[in-house]
Amino acid sequence: DIVLTQSPDSLAVSLGERATINCKSSQSVLYSSNNQNYLAWYQQKPGQPPKLLIYWASTRESGVPDRFSGSGSGTDFTLTISSLQAEDVAVYYCQQYYSTPPTFGQGTKAEIK
Amino acid sequence: EVQLAESGGGLVKPGGSLRLSCAASGFSFNDAWMSWVRQAPGRGLEWVGRIKRKTDGGTIDYAAPVKGRFTISRDDSKKTLFLQMNSLKTEDTAVYYCTKEDYGDYVLPYWGQGTLVTVSS
Repeated sequence: DIVLTQSPDSLAVSLGERATINCKSSQSVLYSSNNQNYLAWYQQKPGQPPKLLIYWASTRESGVPDRFSGSGSGTDFTLTISSLQAEDVAVYYCQQYYSTPPTFGQGTKAEIK
Repeated sequence: EVQLAESGGGLVKPGGSLRLSCAASGFSFNDAWMSWVRQAPGRGLEWVGRIKRKTDGGTIDYAAPVKGRFTISRDDSKKTLFLQMNSLKTEDTAVYYCTKEDYGDYVLPYWGQGTLVTVSS
């Protein structure tokens, strides 16, 4: 199984500041035939199901604010929140869908400093 | 609007069984690939298994920890997904989410609210 390791486990950022979450995969999730990275990001607020933010490593889901962006390729990926808002307090998960079973990172908790 | 509503969770003793249901609406259920994902209390997300649509063979895949104990099935006429859980263990305690794939294999834009399964003596 592909193991995803997120860093940091938690972060505290001032309102309006940038938040960066990293996700490292134990093997490449870049599919050479279509040059796509099989990596998604989810946001989960307390008491709610996860919400898809980003897929194909950098494609924003419809309705997701453009302060959320995804980057990276191969084994190293980043979710960036360009200007953290109060409503962004949540746990963020990366997920690979390159191979079965799909796996998730352990999660990164984002808080307001 | 896609809606997924799980039911059937509850308290069960180790070794017991439980059947979860997921009622779907707002989309063509018979065309959908559906997955179950679980989350133990205070823990991260774990994929449980997936069933493809019948026109794609209805193939079912399971995560290793549940293979041989859990069975995923679907009733397209009733737009309902099922998860039959047998030989339950304490480590199966979790909120179980019904999800619908889109954009690609295992990309999960649609989630139900989840149903809590507690395995305890």
